[in-house]
Amino acid sequence: GAVVSQHPSRVICKSGTSVKIECRSLDFQATTMFWYRQFPKQSLMLMATSNEGSKATYEQGVEKDKFLINHASLTLSTLTVTSAHPEDSSFYICSAPGGQETQYFGPGTRLLVL
Amino acid sequence: GDSVTQMEGPVTLSEEAFLTINCTYTATGYPSLFWYVQYPGEGLQLLLKATKADDKGSNKGFEATYRKETTSFHLEKGSVQVSDSAVYFCALTLDNYGQNFVFGPGTRLSVLP
Repeated sequence: GAVVSQHPSRVICKSGTSVKIECRSLDFQATTMFWYRQFPKQSLMLMATSNEGSKATYEQGVEKDKFLINHASLTLSTLTVTSAHPEDSSFYICSAPGGQETQYFGPGTRLLVL
Repeated sequence: GDSVTQMEGPVTLSEEAFLTINCTYTATGYPSLFWYVQYPGEGLQLLLKATKADDKGSNKGFEATYRKETTSFHLEKGSVQVSDSAVYFCALTLDNYGQNFVFGPGTRLSVLP
């Protein structure tokens, strides 16, 4: 079946630094990808929709300048958490639609900001 | 708006017990319904789905039937294993292209040996 990968799987950084998370569709093309954030013991919260070749669409309350999204190719979307702070620590998951009302999810990236 | 409600967890069962996790939904149209499973430290994996009323999705011993009259999609398994311990998410979409998913809050299942 379709596979979506994320890199890195885990990252620890100091407060004030920026962190880039990559999301790749390995055996299919994805003109759209989704970025979710998941707090401990909670459901997924959609942050933004990444669109290949155009600007991302952000959900209400998500800071565009804080969470930069770039969808430079049909198989790669990146999420950059700029000037990260401890409250940005979370589990970030990307997904790509696979047709037939299905989404394929990446394994997630756990970010810890010290 | 569209929404998904799940039974609150955590649910703790002994191995070989019967499992039911309730899921009900509210939608403006006729959604497709899904169960996703998340194992510790991992992303979500599709467990099963149903796209129209009375459809039954099944996988790995899990089943769920799309009940339009009760707007429900309860997840069941006859005999759980320790390896089934995970968080289970019920979800819906009204989109044919795999976009615009609405997730329930998730139900954590712990199966004890």
